[in-house]
Amino acid sequence: AAGVIQSPRHLIKEKRETATLKCYPIPRHDTVYWYQQGPGQDPQFLISFYEKMQSDKGSIPDRFSAQQFSDYHSELNMSSLELGDSALYFCASSLRGQSNIQYFGAGTRLSVL
Amino acid sequence: QKEVEQNSGPLSVPEGAIASLNCTYSDRGSQSFFWYRQYSGKSPELIMFIYSNGDKEDGRFTAQLNKASQYVSLLIRDSQPSDSATYLCAVNEAAGGSQGNLIFGKGTKLSVKP
Repeated sequence: AAGVIQSPRHLIKEKRETATLKCYPIPRHDTVYWYQQGPGQDPQFLISFYEKMQSDKGSIPDRFSAQQFSDYHSELNMSSLELGDSALYFCASSLRGQSNIQYFGAGTRLSVL
Repeated sequence: QKEVEQNSGPLSVPEGAIASLNCTYSDRGSQSFFWYRQYSGKSPELIMFIYSNGDKEDGRFTAQLNKASQYVSLLIRDSQPSDSATYLCAVNEAAGGSQGNLIFGKGTKLSVKP
């Protein structure tokens, strides 16, 4: 079965640069979530989209923005990168009406040098 | 501030034993409860979900929910070395059928010794 696809898998950036992470949800899933997981930490919710509209917002810095496109893929844009942004970024998708079950992609490991 | 609390461990059990993982949550309005398994550097993998008080069994895994005590647990029977991972408890305030983000505990690291 198709899973959540994230790209790139690894990304190395320098401070103050920008990064774009992409997420392709499971086919037919209408909701996308972004989570950030720092070293030794639990995943922290950043933002979610349902049917291409922002659904909920968590601890996402103002330097970050995200959107969901007509084909339901989502992009997380990160600007003015800081050392503390180094983390695993996970995308998850779900289908409304299917019990809130969120399936996670393999993640993007972002390293800010 | 909604919180999900787990014992960070490590929890060490011998192969073939029962591993018991516990989780408490602060938001009494929480409706959906999930257990994810995460290997180091990998993504969370859904193991179990439960919405109603009581037990739910799936193979070697049993999830238990007690909403009055705001407590959810995961039992792993016949533990195998491949079960060694961090187990994340996650809570969603949304009821089944609607959406909501997950609030995770910090995870319990399980080690199953051969």
